[in-house]
Amino acid sequence: QQQVKQSPQSLIVQKGGISIINCAYENTAFDYFPWYQQFPGKGPALLIAIRPDVSEKKEGRFTISFNKSAKQFSLHIMDSQPGDSATYFCAAEGVGAQKLVFGQGTRLTINP
Amino acid sequence: GAGVSQTPSNKVTEKGKYVELRCDPISGHTALYWYRQSLGQGPEFLIYFQGTGAADDSGLPNDRFFAVRPEGSVSTLKIQRTERGDSAVYLCASSLLGYEQFFGPGTRLTVL
Repeated sequence: QQQVKQSPQSLIVQKGGISIINCAYENTAFDYFPWYQQFPGKGPALLIAIRPDVSEKKEGRFTISFNKSAKQFSLHIMDSQPGDSATYFCAAEGVGAQKLVFGQGTRLTINP
Repeated sequence: GAGVSQTPSNKVTEKGKYVELRCDPISGHTALYWYRQSLGQGPEFLIYFQGTGAADDSGLPNDRFFAVRPEGSVSTLKIQRTERGDSAVYLCASSLLGYEQFFGPGTRLTVL
């Protein structure tokens, strides 16, 4: 049972462009939605997170857009840089659940 | 230490052997989590500790897997009678407030 669906599986963006990764969830009890960045051979690193009481959160070049009614959220990376090339995972956690449910991941490549 | 540390970084074992994987969480973090990440997939939850007790072990795949955290800090994931299907990266995470989970670099387990 795939509770969090992520797309696309892979994405190629030119330097300076906008990278957009989408996730959809099924469980309406989820109330915390983080995005993680993972480089090869490393553990996932928390990038940015949002709660469902807001529709957007921005930190530097990274923005989460959240649509509660559609049960969807997305990560936007503005002015994408080659150093952003990594695998990105969306995740979700329910109230009191204390465990993250991850999407399948998106391999992002930024061409110089 | 500054972050979550895991040892060993790599472990190669033979089918049927017993292995132990260690996790040192961020100092002061009361919550500790184990996840398993197969190649090309997102991490999957295994078990969550709050203090010394396992608060949620619903992700452990079978009774060959066991984890302990006897003093509320360091945790050990134990796998008995390893199988080739156990090959994966085992990730540990810790958190202070229960939401922001910080991951270690993982232990890559290869079962021959």
